[in-house]
Parts: sequence; structure tokens; C-alpha cells
Amino acid sequence: SQQGEEDPQALSIQEGENATMNCSYKTSINNLQWYRQNSGRGLVHLILIRSNEREKHSGRLRVTLDTSKKSSSLLITASRAADTASYFCATGDNQGGKLIFGQGTELSVKP
Amino acid sequence: ETGVTQTPRHLVMGMTNKKSLKCEQHLGHNAMYWYKQSAKKPLELMFVYNFKEQTENNSVPSRFSPECPNSSHLFLHLHTLQPEDSALYLCASSQDPLGGQQYFGPGTRLTVT
Repeated sequence: SQQGEEDPQALSIQEGENATMNCSYKTSINNLQWYRQNSGRGLVHLILIRSNEREKHSGRLRVTLDTSKKSSSLLITASRAADTASYFCATGDNQGGKLIFGQGTELSVKP
Repeated sequence: ETGVTQTPRHLVMGMTNKKSLKCEQHLGHNAMYWYKQSAKKPLELMFVYNFKEQTENNSVPSRFSPECPNSSHLFLHLHTLQPEDSALYLCASSQDPLGGQQYFGPGTRLTVT
């Protein structure tokens, strides 16, 4: 069954603005990860946050995790046209190495 | 792109054909994965191999047959596919088999006619 669900499904912003994407999940997790995918290509890992962490930063990326609400958010600050891509959250558990992906958010950053 | 290569990048095959997708990882990882990505659907995990042993088969039809001869190579053998099998097939690898970061190849765009 689908674990992560992203919101919104599509987001269109102007260059320089911040982009916020949300992810909700259903079961207990060991970690939550965010990936990026340019059209028709493979996924690229952005950031991993463990279940005992609440916030993590990497460059212009900020990820938060609220395990009580089973939700996470990805914030991209000062967006660029090159950030245009699909963004997926994926949850990992302690068993079997499975990552369960959400449907993704399509981000379009207009120059 | 990330140490995981896939060939071919594009494949068109008829429903009676037999073809194979190849994945190779140069990262020294122990776990490898096949995913299917169809339009408007989340990534679907198909198979997981850990130290060459299959540890997950996510109810995949038998017309998809995986093979993992060693920790660096993973194949997906295809036969008598259906048009609905047209999708992007992604291979990934990871060092940590317990839900850690995965490294993806660029994918094979498969069209079944």
C-alpha cells in the first residue's frame, strides 16, 4: 500500500521564491528521505532524516519531520529554474530494505 | 550519473519478444533493486537483492524474471510483455539493506507494442 503522499501534486513558483512540499505517511519509520527526479531520468538522493531527528539542513534545503503527525516537509529556499523537477519522499523501515515512495510533487520554477 | 549504469536507455519490443535489461553498480554496494515507474503512479518496488539473494518479490508477474549473478550486476529478463508494462524501469543500489539511501541509475524507457 502507498506509504508517502506528497502535497501539493504540482507547484509553480517564480525564481527566488521558496518552495514547500509536504509528505504524509502511515506507519512507523526508521527514516524519511527526499529524492529529486528530472523528467524521465533516475532519482537523485537529496537528504535523509532519521526518526529521532526533527530538522535537517543541506545547502538550500531544509527538511522537518514530525513523527507524531507522521509528516515531513521539504523547503527549498531561493529557488532557481534548475530546481524544476519532481520531488519524492520515501520512507524506510527497519526490515527488508524497502523504501516506499509517494507520488511526488512536480515543481516548476519560472525564470 | 551516480555510479549506477543501465542499458539500454530505450527499448521498444513486441509482445512476443524476449529482451533483458542490465544494471551495473560501481559503488561496492550489497543491495540492488528494480523499480517500475509508470505515468502518474508512485515508484513500484519490484525486486530486492541483498548479497545476490532475492529478498523481496513484490508480487511481480512471472513475465519479469530477475537475475543477480554478483553484487555488482542485476538483470531483468522480459518475455511476453503486455502494453501496460510500458514504463521507466529504474535500478538502484544501496550499501545499507535496511532502508538507507539508494543510488539510482538513469533508467530504461520500455515501450511494448
